[in-house]
Amino acid sequence: QVQLQESGPGLVKPSETLSLTCTVSGGSISIYLWNWIRQPPGKGLEWIGSIDNSGSTNYNPSLKSRVTMSLDTSKRQFSLRLNSVTTADTAMYYCVRAIPHFESRFDYWGQGILVTVSS
Amino acid sequence: QSILTQPPSVSAAPGQRVTISCSGSYSNIGNNYVSWYQQLPRTAPKLLIYDSNKRPSGIPDRFSGSKSGTSATLGITGLQTGDGAGYYCATWDNSLSSVIFGGGTNLTVL
Repeated sequence: QVQLQESGPGLVKPSETLSLTCTVSGGSISIYLWNWIRQPPGKGLEWIGSIDNSGSTNYNPSLKSRVTMSLDTSKRQFSLRLNSVTTADTAMYYCVRAIPHFESRFDYWGQGILVTVSS
Repeated sequence: QSILTQPPSVSAAPGQRVTISCSGSYSNIGNNYVSWYQQLPRTAPKLLIYDSNKRPSGIPDRFSGSKSGTSATLGITGLQTGDGAGYYCATWDNSLSSVIFGGGTNLTVL
């Protein structure tokens, strides 16, 4: 049974860096695309980016200048760093698995972690 | 403003059929598969349809997907009160090199 679990601070100050980690249990970590997707309160879904087992990344153009994703296969974890955050970055952040070459096919989701940007 | 356009809301009675549209362009739906997600209140989205018209294991055949040109449609038959949720389409956009989502449709089962 594949499970994903987000972890990290629930409160980040404006202009600082949001850092989240996703721990994957079950299944292979080597053959899939690992993604972050976020959802501001009361709004729709926004894809942040993906990383594969070679470390190759793909980021949403609107966030690309502020996003870094990394993967540690030995720990079965992947991470998100979003710098220079503002209140517009307040959202539920989901870590999600996708099928390679089928980038919008997200088959396993974490439960999500709410991150609030506030001073 | 989402690149993929969905109606903000639809409603229907239990037992009825409803369709939710997702309109895009040549650079996204026109050349890529579409996925659909169901998001029940206060839960993570769940994959309903992939490759435009396939259902993952465990998804009832009341849910169906289709694609024609630059539009995709999610169909739900035999509506149940538990189907009341948000529904999102998603696909890859070749011009943006990015996954894009529709703005979401809130389904109310009256």
